[in-house]
Amino acid sequence: GDSVTQMEGPVTLSEEAFLTINCTYTATGYPSLFWYVQYPGEGLQLLLKATKADDKGSNKGFEATYRKETTSFHLEKGSVQVSDSAVYFCALRGGATNKLIFGTGTLLAVQP
Amino acid sequence: DADVTQTPRNRITKTGKRIMLECSQTKGHDRMYWYRQDPGLGLRLIYYSFDVKDINKGEISDGYSVSRQAQAKFSLSLESAIPNQTALYFCATSGSSGGASDTQYFGPGTRLTVL
Repeated sequence: GDSVTQMEGPVTLSEEAFLTINCTYTATGYPSLFWYVQYPGEGLQLLLKATKADDKGSNKGFEATYRKETTSFHLEKGSVQVSDSAVYFCALRGGATNKLIFGTGTLLAVQP
Repeated sequence: DADVTQTPRNRITKTGKRIMLECSQTKGHDRMYWYRQDPGLGLRLIYYSFDVKDINKGEISDGYSVSRQAQAKFSLSLESAIPNQTALYFCATSGSSGGASDTQYFGPGTRLTVL
Protein backbone atom coordinates (compact mmCIF):
# COMPACT_ATOMS: atom_id res chain seq x y z
CA GLY A 1 0.00 0.00 0.00
CA ASP A 2 0.87 3.66 -0.12
CA SER A 3 3.37 4.90 2.45
CA VAL A 4 5.53 7.84 3.43
CA THR A 5 8.99 7.70 4.99
CA GLN A 6 10.61 10.74 6.51
CA MET A 7 13.82 11.25 8.40
CA GLU A 8 13.72 10.72 12.11
CA GLY A 9 14.34 13.58 14.42
CA PRO A 10 14.96 15.49 16.34
CA VAL A 11 16.79 17.87 14.04
CA THR A 12 18.58 20.55 16.01
CA LEU A 13 19.89 23.62 14.18
CA SER A 14 21.18 27.04 15.01
CA GLU A 15 19.29 30.07 13.81
CA GLU A 16 19.99 30.96 10.15
CA ALA A 17 21.18 27.43 9.34
CA PHE A 18 20.01 25.58 6.22
CA LEU A 19 17.29 23.00 6.73
CA THR A 20 16.57 19.80 4.84
CA ILE A 21 14.04 17.23 5.99
CA ASN A 22 13.95 14.20 3.73
CA CYS A 23 10.72 12.57 2.62
CA THR A 24 10.22 9.68 0.22
CA TYR A 25 7.01 7.95 -0.74
CA THR A 26 5.60 4.78 -2.22
CA ALA A 27 2.36 5.08 -4.12
CA THR A 28 0.49 3.82 -7.12
CA GLY A 29 -0.49 6.40 -9.67
CA TYR A 30 0.24 10.08 -9.16
CA PRO A 31 -0.38 11.23 -5.61
CA SER A 32 -0.52 14.78 -4.34
CA LEU A 33 2.19 15.52 -1.78
CA PHE A 34 2.00 17.74 1.28
CA TRP A 35 4.02 19.14 4.14
CA TYR A 36 2.10 19.92 7.30
CA VAL A 37 3.52 21.69 10.36
CA GLN A 38 2.43 21.26 13.97
CA TYR A 39 3.48 23.99 16.38
CA PRO A 40 3.57 23.12 20.09
CA GLY A 41 0.09 22.59 21.49
CA GLU A 42 -1.64 23.15 18.18
CA GLY A 43 -3.21 21.15 15.38
CA LEU A 44 -1.65 20.57 11.98
CA GLN A 45 -1.47 23.35 9.43
CA LEU A 46 -0.80 22.94 5.75
CA LEU A 47 2.63 24.35 4.96
CA LEU A 48 2.87 23.61 1.25
CA LYS A 49 1.80 21.11 -1.37
CA ALA A 50 2.50 19.90 -4.91
CA THR A 51 0.06 18.01 -7.09
CA LYS A 52 2.17 16.79 -10.00
CA ALA A 53 5.72 15.88 -10.91
CA ASP A 54 8.26 18.74 -10.96
CA ASP A 55 5.86 21.08 -9.15
CA LYS A 56 7.48 23.15 -6.43
CA GLY A 57 5.45 24.05 -3.37
CA SER A 58 6.57 27.04 -1.34
CA ASN A 59 5.41 29.01 1.68
CA LYS A 60 7.04 31.06 4.46
CA GLY A 61 10.50 30.48 2.98
CA PHE A 62 10.04 26.70 2.85
CA GLU A 63 10.20 24.82 -0.45
CA ALA A 64 9.73 21.26 -1.64
CA THR A 65 9.86 19.85 -5.16
CA TYR A 66 7.87 16.83 -6.31
CA ARG A 67 10.45 14.44 -7.74
CA LYS A 68 8.78 11.50 -9.40
CA GLU A 69 12.04 9.90 -10.54
CA THR A 70 13.29 9.64 -6.96
CA THR A 71 9.82 9.48 -5.34
CA SER A 72 10.85 12.29 -3.02
CA PHE A 73 9.48 15.55 -1.63
CA HIS A 74 12.24 16.94 0.57
CA LEU A 75 11.52 20.06 2.61
CA GLU A 76 14.12 22.86 2.54
CA LYS A 77 14.58 26.31 4.00
CA GLY A 78 17.60 28.49 3.50
CA SER A 79 17.67 30.19 6.90
CA VAL A 80 15.64 28.83 9.80
CA GLN A 81 14.35 30.89 12.70
CA VAL A 82 13.55 29.97 16.29
CA SER A 83 9.87 30.36 15.38
CA ASP A 84 10.20 27.46 12.91
CA SER A 85 10.60 25.01 15.79
CA ALA A 86 7.80 22.50 15.31
CA VAL A 87 7.01 19.00 14.13
CA TYR A 88 6.91 18.61 10.34
CA PHE A 89 4.85 15.91 8.65
CA CYS A 90 5.15 14.75 5.07
CA ALA A 91 1.96 13.27 3.63
CA LEU A 92 0.50 11.98 0.41
CA ARG A 93 -3.01 11.79 -0.96
CA GLY A 94 -3.73 9.26 -3.62
CA GLY A 95 -6.85 8.22 -5.44
CA ALA A 96 -10.32 9.68 -5.12
CA THR A 97 -10.82 9.17 -1.41
CA ASN A 98 -8.80 12.21 -0.31
CA LYS A 99 -7.35 10.18 2.55
CA LEU A 100 -4.01 11.47 3.75
CA ILE A 101 -1.19 9.08 4.58
CA PHE A 102 1.31 10.65 6.94
CA GLY A 103 4.93 10.07 7.74
CA THR A 104 5.92 9.76 11.38
CA GLY A 105 6.88 13.41 11.75
CA THR A 106 10.22 15.16 12.29
CA LEU A 107 10.79 17.42 15.26
CA LEU A 108 12.80 20.52 14.40
CA ALA A 109 14.38 22.50 17.22
CA VAL A 110 16.04 25.79 16.29
CA GLN A 111 18.34 27.33 18.86
CA PRO A 112 19.14 31.06 19.02
CA ASP B 1 -13.02 32.15 15.48
CA ALA B 2 -11.49 28.81 14.59
CA ASP B 3 -12.89 27.07 11.53
CA VAL B 4 -12.59 23.59 13.06
CA THR B 5 -13.28 23.18 16.77
CA GLN B 6 -12.96 20.14 18.99
CA THR B 7 -14.39 19.48 22.43
CA PRO B 8 -13.16 18.66 24.95
CA ARG B 9 -9.52 19.71 24.54
CA ASN B 10 -8.37 17.42 27.32
CA ARG B 11 -10.03 14.43 28.93
CA ILE B 12 -8.96 11.90 31.50
CA THR B 13 -11.15 8.86 31.92
CA LYS B 14 -11.07 5.33 33.27
CA THR B 15 -10.99 1.99 31.53
CA GLY B 16 -14.44 0.85 30.45
CA LYS B 17 -16.03 4.29 30.30
CA ARG B 18 -17.84 5.58 27.22
CA ILE B 19 -16.34 8.73 25.78
CA MET B 20 -17.50 11.04 23.00
CA LEU B 21 -15.26 13.54 21.24
CA GLU B 22 -16.98 16.22 19.20
CA CYS B 23 -15.94 18.16 16.15
CA SER B 24 -17.63 21.12 14.51
CA GLN B 25 -16.65 23.09 11.43
CA THR B 26 -17.74 26.36 9.87
CA LYS B 27 -15.92 25.88 6.55
CA GLY B 28 -18.94 24.42 4.77
CA HIS B 29 -16.95 21.31 3.85
CA ASP B 30 -18.60 18.02 2.97
CA ARG B 31 -15.75 15.76 4.08
CA MET B 32 -14.69 15.16 7.67
CA TYR B 33 -12.07 12.89 9.22
CA TRP B 34 -10.91 11.58 12.57
CA TYR B 35 -7.22 10.79 13.17
CA ARG B 36 -5.21 9.75 16.18
CA GLN B 37 -1.62 10.76 16.76
CA ASP B 38 0.80 8.62 18.71
CA PRO B 39 4.50 9.35 19.30
CA GLY B 40 6.63 7.86 16.54
CA LEU B 41 3.62 6.77 14.48
CA GLY B 42 2.42 9.99 12.92
CA LEU B 43 -1.31 10.36 12.29
CA ARG B 44 -3.52 7.40 11.48
CA LEU B 45 -7.02 7.60 10.05
CA ILE B 46 -9.84 6.21 12.23
CA TYR B 47 -13.00 7.10 10.27
CA TYR B 48 -13.98 9.47 7.51
CA SER B 49 -17.24 10.79 6.10
CA PHE B 50 -17.88 12.27 2.68
CA ASP B 51 -21.34 13.53 3.55
CA VAL B 52 -24.02 13.04 6.18
CA LYS B 53 -25.07 9.66 4.82
CA ASP B 54 -21.60 8.35 4.07
CA ILE B 55 -19.37 6.87 6.79
CA ASN B 56 -16.22 4.87 6.10
CA LYS B 57 -13.72 3.02 8.23
CA GLY B 58 -10.10 4.08 8.19
CA GLU B 59 -7.07 1.97 8.99
CA ILE B 60 -7.64 1.73 12.77
CA SER B 61 -11.42 1.80 13.35
CA ASP B 62 -11.65 -1.09 15.85
CA GLY B 63 -12.90 0.13 19.22
CA TYR B 64 -14.30 3.36 17.77
CA SER B 65 -17.59 4.51 16.27
CA VAL B 66 -18.67 7.77 14.68
CA SER B 67 -21.79 9.79 14.04
CA ARG B 68 -22.27 12.50 11.41
CA GLN B 69 -25.12 14.47 12.93
CA ALA B 70 -25.04 17.24 10.34
CA GLN B 71 -22.74 18.52 7.63
CA ALA B 72 -20.90 20.56 10.24
CA LYS B 73 -20.67 17.97 13.04
CA PHE B 74 -18.78 14.70 13.28
CA SER B 75 -18.45 12.86 16.61
CA LEU B 76 -16.09 10.08 17.60
CA SER B 77 -17.07 7.63 20.35
CA LEU B 78 -15.11 5.13 22.36
CA GLU B 79 -17.75 2.71 23.62
CA SER B 80 -15.52 1.16 26.26
CA ALA B 81 -12.22 3.01 26.58
CA ILE B 82 -8.98 1.13 27.11
CA PRO B 83 -5.51 2.45 28.01
CA ASN B 84 -4.02 1.94 24.54
CA GLN B 85 -6.54 4.46 23.23
CA THR B 86 -4.61 7.14 25.09
CA ALA B 87 -3.58 9.51 22.31
CA LEU B 88 -4.04 12.89 20.71
CA TYR B 89 -7.13 12.93 18.48
CA PHE B 90 -7.58 15.27 15.55
CA CYS B 91 -10.60 16.11 13.47
CA ALA B 92 -10.09 17.43 9.94
CA THR B 93 -12.28 18.69 7.10
CA SER B 94 -11.92 19.16 3.36
CA GLY B 95 -13.93 20.03 0.32
CA SER B 96 -14.59 17.54 -2.46
CA SER B 97 -11.59 15.95 -4.09
CA GLY B 98 -9.64 17.92 -6.64
CA GLY B 99 -7.81 21.23 -6.76
CA ALA B 100 -7.40 23.62 -3.86
CA SER B 101 -10.46 22.24 -2.10
CA ASP B 102 -8.75 18.97 -1.27
CA THR B 103 -6.61 20.54 1.43
CA GLN B 104 -7.45 19.16 4.86
CA TYR B 105 -7.92 21.61 7.71
CA PHE B 106 -7.28 20.34 11.22
CA GLY B 107 -8.79 21.12 14.57
CA PRO B 108 -6.62 21.84 17.62
CA GLY B 109 -6.83 18.28 18.93
CA THR B 110 -8.19 16.47 21.96
CA ARG B 111 -5.74 14.88 24.36
CA LEU B 112 -7.34 11.75 25.78
CA THR B 113 -5.88 9.77 28.66
CA VAL B 114 -7.40 6.43 29.62
CA LEU B 115 -6.32 5.18 33.04
